Amino acid sequence: EAGVAQSPRYKIIEKRQSVAFWCNPISGHATLYWYQQILGQGPKLLIQFQNNGVVDDSQLPKDRFSAERLKGVDSTLKIQPAKLEDSAVYLCASSFGPEGNQPQHFGDGTRLSIL
Amino acid sequence: AQTVTQSQPEMSVQEAETVTLSCTYDTSESDYYLFWYKQPPSRQMILVIRQEAYKQQNATENRFSVNFQKAAKSFSLKISDSQLGDAAMYFCAYRRGPGTASKLTFGTGTRLQVTL
Repeated sequence: EAGVAQSPRYKIIEKRQSVAFWCNPISGHATLYWYQQILGQGPKLLIQFQNNGVVDDSQLPKDRFSAERLKGVDSTLKIQPAKLEDSAVYLCASSFGPEGNQPQHFGDGTRLSIL
Repeated sequence: AQTVTQSQPEMSVQEAETVTLSCTYDTSESDYYLFWYKQPPSRQMILVIRQEAYKQQNATENRFSVNFQKAAKSFSLKISDSQLGDAAMYFCAYRRGPGTASKLTFGTGTRLQVTL
C-alpha cells in the first residue's frame, strides 16, 4: 500500500512570509496528525484530525498556524507569518483510528528553513 | 502530563554486537502503550516495536526486543546482532490508551552509530 505522502520535501522562506505544507494519508485512514520536530528534539503534536474534525489542537500556535482537512482525506498546514523559531521538520502521520493501539504511519516530512 | 526521558543522546555499537537503549517515562495512567520508533536520515519515523502496558510479556520483533518494567516505568530497547542499517535516531514514545484518542509523546531521542 502507498504510504503517507508529503510535499514539498524542503522549503526555504524568509521570516514573515507564509508557507503551506500538504499531506495525503494512507487510503482509509480516518485519523491524521501533524507534528513539529525541532532539531535535536522529538516530534511534538500540533494537531490531530478525525475525518474532517479537529480532535486535539492544544499545542498549535493558532495566531500563526492553521490546518484543514476539508474532505476528510488530504490536509494542509499553513504558517503565516513565519518566525525564525518555526524552522523544523513538519511530519504528517495517519492511522486507521484514533485509539491508542492504532499504529501511526509517518511521511518523510518537510524540512522548513526560515532565513 | 506524561513525560518521556531518554538519557543517552548518543550510543555506539559494533556490527554484530548487542546494544541497549534506555527510556523512562512518567504517567499516572494504568493503561497505555509504549513504542520505539527509528528515524533514519530520510526522516521517516518507522515503528520498530510496541508494548501494551497490560501485557507482562516483553515484546519482541526479530532482532529487537524490549525490557518493560512497569513499576519502575522503564522501557529499554535491545538490538541484537546490530547491522549497519540500524544506524539512526531512536525515539521512545508513550500513548495513553486503549480507547481514548490520545497523542504520542516522544522522548528527545538517542542517536545510534554502528561501526565495523
